[in-house]
Amino acid sequence: DGGITQSPKYLFRKEGQNVTLSCEQNLNHDAMYWYRQDPGQGLRLIYYSQIVNDFQKGDIAEGYSVSREKKESFPLTVTSAQKNPTAFYLCASQDRGRSYNEQFFGPGTRLTVL
Amino acid sequence: QKEVEQNSGPLSVPEGAIASLNCTYSDRGSQSFFWYRQYSGKSPELIMFIYSNGDKEDGRFTAQLNKASQYVSLLIRDSQPSDSATYLCAAMEYGNKLVFGAGTILRVKS
Repeated sequence: DGGITQSPKYLFRKEGQNVTLSCEQNLNHDAMYWYRQDPGQGLRLIYYSQIVNDFQKGDIAEGYSVSREKKESFPLTVTSAQKNPTAFYLCASQDRGRSYNEQFFGPGTRLTVL
Repeated sequence: QKEVEQNSGPLSVPEGAIASLNCTYSDRGSQSFFWYRQYSGKSPELIMFIYSNGDKEDGRFTAQLNKASQYVSLLIRDSQPSDSATYLCAAMEYGNKLVFGAGTILRVKS
C-alpha cells in the first residue's frame, strides 16, 4: 500500500533533549512538508523540501532542523532550542507533477515535553 | 503575513440539514484552495479542492470560490453524525506552500 508513515506515534521528551521524528513515503513524491498543530489551531509550516538535498524554512523553523538525503525520507529533529515543543507534528508529501497540488498527510506524531 | 480566516465554531446542525462552512483569505495571488476534514486526534484528509470561480460538486459536498471577494465555502448536504469533525480551509501560495485556517468545528446532532 502506498502512503506516508510517521514514527513514533507518541514521543516524550525531557527538557534539553533533542528528538528526531521520522517521516517516510512510498508515493514517489518529490515534495515533503513538516507542520506543527497546537490545540484549537491550524497547521503551521516548519520546513519543506521540494527535491532531494534541498529544503527551506517555513514560518516557524526556529528550534527545528531537517535533512533530505533520500526522496522517501524527511526526518525532523526537535532541538533543545525549541522552547515549547509539545504539539502534534504532521508530515505531508505532494506530487509536484499533478495539475493540482494536494498534500497527503501521515498519521502524525504527538510530542510531549515532560 | 498571509492569512486564512475561519469561524472556529462550533457549528451545530441537525442530521439531514445543510452545513455551510466559510473561509476568507488575504493573498490575492492564491490560486488553489483546499478543504480538509480532521477527526479528533487524527491527521487531515482532503475533502475538496477548487481553483476556478464558481461551484464544484462532489457527492454531498460543494465547494464555492469567489476570488473577487477572496471567499471560499464548503456546503455539506444531508449532514450525518459522521461528518462531525474540524474542517480546515487552506490556500496554496507561491512555492506550493499551504496556508491553513484554524478550522471550524462541525457538530451534527442526530
